[in-house]
Amino acid sequence: GAGVSQSPSNKVTEKGKDVELRCDPISGHTALYWYRQSLGQGLEFLIYFQGNSAPDKSGLPSDRFSAERTGGSVSTLTIQRTQQEDSAVYLCASSLLGVDGQFFGPGTRLTVL
Amino acid sequence: AQSVTQLDSQVPVFEEAPVELRCNYSSSVSVYLFWYVQYPNQGLQLLLKYLSGSTLVKGINGFEAEFNKSQTSFHLRKPSVHISDTAEYFCAANAGNNRKLIWGLGTSLAVNP
Repeated sequence: GAGVSQSPSNKVTEKGKDVELRCDPISGHTALYWYRQSLGQGLEFLIYFQGNSAPDKSGLPSDRFSAERTGGSVSTLTIQRTQQEDSAVYLCASSLLGVDGQFFGPGTRLTVL
Repeated sequence: AQSVTQLDSQVPVFEEAPVELRCNYSSSVSVYLFWYVQYPNQGLQLLLKYLSGSTLVKGINGFEAEFNKSQTSFHLRKPSVHISDTAEYFCAANAGNNRKLIWGLGTSLAVNP
């Protein structure tokens, strides 16, 4: 596609449920990033994939969070046993080279009740 | 460790007035610097970037930024703002081979008629 796409655009779930968020990066982009943006806050880095290298998971806030990237393209961010503090907008970005800047998707707004 | 500081959380300005959004970074190595803009209810988009060369960088929508190594700053400027410039602006930095961007907390620009 022309840009980074994310689905769903909105997700409302109950505390304790698992959720999966999907990201389709720009075709050919080797790097993929997940961020979290809470209301009125900046961007919190979660995880970074680059080609076939091991992902940089240093930003994942707990072991309830995990992500995978299949075939070097689509990525799924999974949050297990969701908590209310997980409510935020989850943003995905991709880039061809790190220095070229990142292209962001529209985000998934997650609300945990 | 790297850090990015946006000195103003909110900047109110009247239409057609000039504006400067301030960004300072700390890094012991050369950095790549970026400004992103997030319009209301939209994703982030790259406004401009500094990689090397000329310290004055021009971006989209009439914005420009100047890299000042001695002051470790990368302030964003526009000589005459429009109502449509109302948005959240984020400064980010990336040092060396680390492609993980370090983000400022954002500056909310409100352009009033």
